[in-house]
Amino acid sequence: GAVVSQHPSWVICKSGTSVKIECRSLDFQATTMFWYRQFPKQSLMLMATSNEGSKATYEQGVEKDKFLINHASLTLSTLTVTSAHPEDSSFYICSARGVLSVLSDTQYFGPGTRLTVL
Amino acid sequence: QKEVEQDPGPLSVPEGAIVSLNCTYSNSAFQYFMWYRQYSRKGPELLMYTYSSGNKEDGRFTAQVDKSSKYISLFIRDSQPSDSATYLCAMSAMEYGNKLVFGAGTILRVKS
Repeated sequence: GAVVSQHPSWVICKSGTSVKIECRSLDFQATTMFWYRQFPKQSLMLMATSNEGSKATYEQGVEKDKFLINHASLTLSTLTVTSAHPEDSSFYICSARGVLSVLSDTQYFGPGTRLTVL
Repeated sequence: QKEVEQDPGPLSVPEGAIVSLNCTYSNSAFQYFMWYRQYSRKGPELLMYTYSSGNKEDGRFTAQVDKSSKYISLFIRDSQPSDSATYLCAMSAMEYGNKLVFGAGTILRVKS
């Protein structure tokens, strides 16, 4: 149980284009989803927290107009990187926290999406 | 000073060795403690989850939390080459919305 998927697993795009990344909880309902960014050989950096049906809460220094997050249902959240630039190239990972009490205090991570902006 | 300190390694051990991974933290509000394993270019995988102080065992893995010393450990018995990965400690507190605070991660290499 507690499986989280991400799509796509990797994407290459041109500078100035937008890229959408999907995060799905496959076998549980996620009240909260988190989006992280990870640079090579570094730990995860929390970008934003999203609760189903409400606006995402962004961490300090993260541009909300550049990283659009939508959490439309209890099983799906999307991250859209708008007008991507090479410095946005990174490994983006989502995680989900479940409704059930047994799952509510832990986060389960997706496999990550590697974004390369040319 | 970082909230969570973790030696990045790398830590190299022979196959079959007992591995000890550790984190220290400064915020006494942390209540939930987790260990994640991350293989290269993959998302973190939850290994162990502990609430408050104490020990927890699951197969070859044992997690220990000592809140009085603000110190957590993960022990891996009979280490295997497939255990080679980055191990991330993480912790959270309800008063901070249960956001995870991660250590830097320790790279473990188990040599056959």
